[in-house]
This record gives sequence, structure tokens and C-alpha cells, in this order.
Amino acid sequence: EDQVTQSPEALRLQEGESSSLNCSYTVSGLRGLFWYRQDPGKGPEFLFTLYSAGEEKEKERLKATLTKKESFLHITAPKPEDSATYLCAVQIGRSSNTGKLIFGQGTTLQVKP
Amino acid sequence: KAGVTQTPRYLIKTRGQQVTLSCSPISGHRSVSWYQQTPGQGLQFLFEYFSETQRNKGNFPGRFSGRQFSNSRSEMNVSTLELGDSALYLCASSPDGVANEQFFGPGTRLTVL
Repeated sequence: EDQVTQSPEALRLQEGESSSLNCSYTVSGLRGLFWYRQDPGKGPEFLFTLYSAGEEKEKERLKATLTKKESFLHITAPKPEDSATYLCAVQIGRSSNTGKLIFGQGTTLQVKP
Repeated sequence: KAGVTQTPRYLIKTRGQQVTLSCSPISGHRSVSWYQQTPGQGLQFLFEYFSETQRNKGNFPGRFSGRQFSNSRSEMNVSTLELGDSALYLCASSPDGVANEQFFGPGTRLTVL
């Protein structure tokens, strides 16, 4: 069964304290892995897409990496405005066209000043 | 470029009623996907439409249905509402849905009493 697991469920950091969020997946035929940020009461906001193992992408204090079994979202020197729930999602299916995303449960990050 | 819009933003219904939610994708995007988000189950895929055709469907009962119009706008309908249908319903659009990032709307918060 295709599955996406994120850890930890919740993470509290002090401002400036770097850390990483994990997204592990067991799927058949990964087409792409996506990271989103979601603020309370809002829709997910797109952050990154990763397509193949070894790929890395950066945006401000965030860096996403991908291996064959997991992805990491590294947060360097976080600020309180980085507080949000971070969602990982995978799109599968090498031979079929589909827009279906399978989401993990998310990691809720709180950054204290 | 305008983002994904969803209407209404909030809705309160009673058990047994039916409801229709609307989604307008980003201009030029032909794929529209619908997701249900609850605290317990997280984000779950409902269905995807591309060029007015349902291309993929999640594991939801037949009470959940949708359609897409020629201008790519989409609607989803839930008939015979149950208490457990209370959730945030999110719509996401992408150019063609395959290995493209999906952009989410703000969601419709449905409460069933």
C-alpha cells in the first residue's frame, strides 16, 4: 500500500535553532514529491517539487532534499513566521496520467522568539 | 495572475441535506483536484478532473461527486450529508496535473449539524 509518513508530528524550536523535518514514503513509481506549508484556516501553499534522488532545492531558510526512500526539509535559523504545518505529498504512477497526491499527516512547527 | 478561488468559504448544513461547492482554477490550468481535510485523516484525495473528464477517484462513497465545465471551473456535490462530512474541502489546480505542482485554494469549511 502506498504510504507517506512524516516525523515528528510536532516540533518546537527557538528562533535561530536549525532542524530538519522528515518525510518517508513507500510507493510504487514515484513521479514527484511535493512540500507544502499550511497556515491555520488556509489552503496549503506550494514550496518545492523534487523528482529524483539526489535532487535539492532551496528557498530562503528552507532546503528540501530527496533520496530513494525519504525527503528532508531543512530549516536553517528559523524565525517565528516560519511557524506552520509542513505537508509532504507524493504523486505516483509511471504509466498513468493522474493528478492524485498522497499526503502525509504533516509536521506542525512552532518557532518561539 | 489570480489564484484558485473557492466559494462559499463557509457553509453550515444539517444531516441529510446536500451541498455544492465551487472552484475556479488558475487561468490556463486544466486539471482540478478536490481534497478533504480533517484533523483525524489529514488531506485525502477525492477526485481529479481534466478537460471535463474525471481522471481519477479516491476512496469515498458515491455521495461525493463532481464535475468540470468547459472553462475548467469545477463543482463538487455531497448528497445526504452526514456528521462525518464536516471538513475543510480544498480544491487544487495545475496545468495538466501530472508531475506539476498543484496550487490550492483557501478551501470551503463545511459544518454538518
